[in-house]
Amino acid sequence: SQQGEEDPQALSIQEGENATMNCSYKTSINNLQWYRQNSGRGLVHLILIRSNEREKHSGRLRVTLDTSKKSSSLLITASRAADTASYFCATDEGSNYKLTFGKGTLLTVNP
Amino acid sequence: GAGVSQSPSNKVTEKGKDVELRCDPISGHTALYWYRQSLGQGLEFLIYFQGNSAPDKSGLPSDRFSAERTGGSVSTLTIQRTQQEDSAVYLCASSSQTGGGSPLHFGNGTRLTVT
Repeated sequence: SQQGEEDPQALSIQEGENATMNCSYKTSINNLQWYRQNSGRGLVHLILIRSNEREKHSGRLRVTLDTSKKSSSLLITASRAADTASYFCATDEGSNYKLTFGKGTLLTVNP
Repeated sequence: GAGVSQSPSNKVTEKGKDVELRCDPISGHTALYWYRQSLGQGLEFLIYFQGNSAPDKSGLPSDRFSAERTGGSVSTLTIQRTQQEDSAVYLCASSSQTGGGSPLHFGNGTRLTVT
């Protein structure tokens, strides 16, 4: 079964709006990562947040982590059409090498 | 090239044939991973290499699947006697070090279609 589960499965917004995607997981983690996948391409690493961190920023991205609720959120501010992609969270489940991915959120940003 | 390279990008094969998928990781990356992505699904872990060794093969779906890595670099994933359920995108990723704290660098995948 998937460790990380993203919510919603699909999200459609207008350019300029903010997009929030959520990820829930089941077991203890050391780190949680977010990746982006454009259609027909591989995944691209966006941001990593460690279990002892609560929030992290990178450009227009903001990630939060709540280990008590076993959940994370990815916020993309001032979205652009080029942000259209699938977004995946990945957790290590305490492993020192393996990442387990969720099914992703398909984000569509309409111009 | 600077990134992870996979070949072929697309492969159409008949049921029962063997296929070989290739991955060239980023130079110097010791960790290498194979994942499988079915349509609209997340990524399914197949196998992990550290150097030339594969300490975790637990994700390989059946004994028709095998993988090797030589010279701590190129890896090949072989699927024997392909079945229609093997149709998917096979993604390779490499990392400079093990640990969930290291980002994975992915190739663009090989789209396998078994007819």
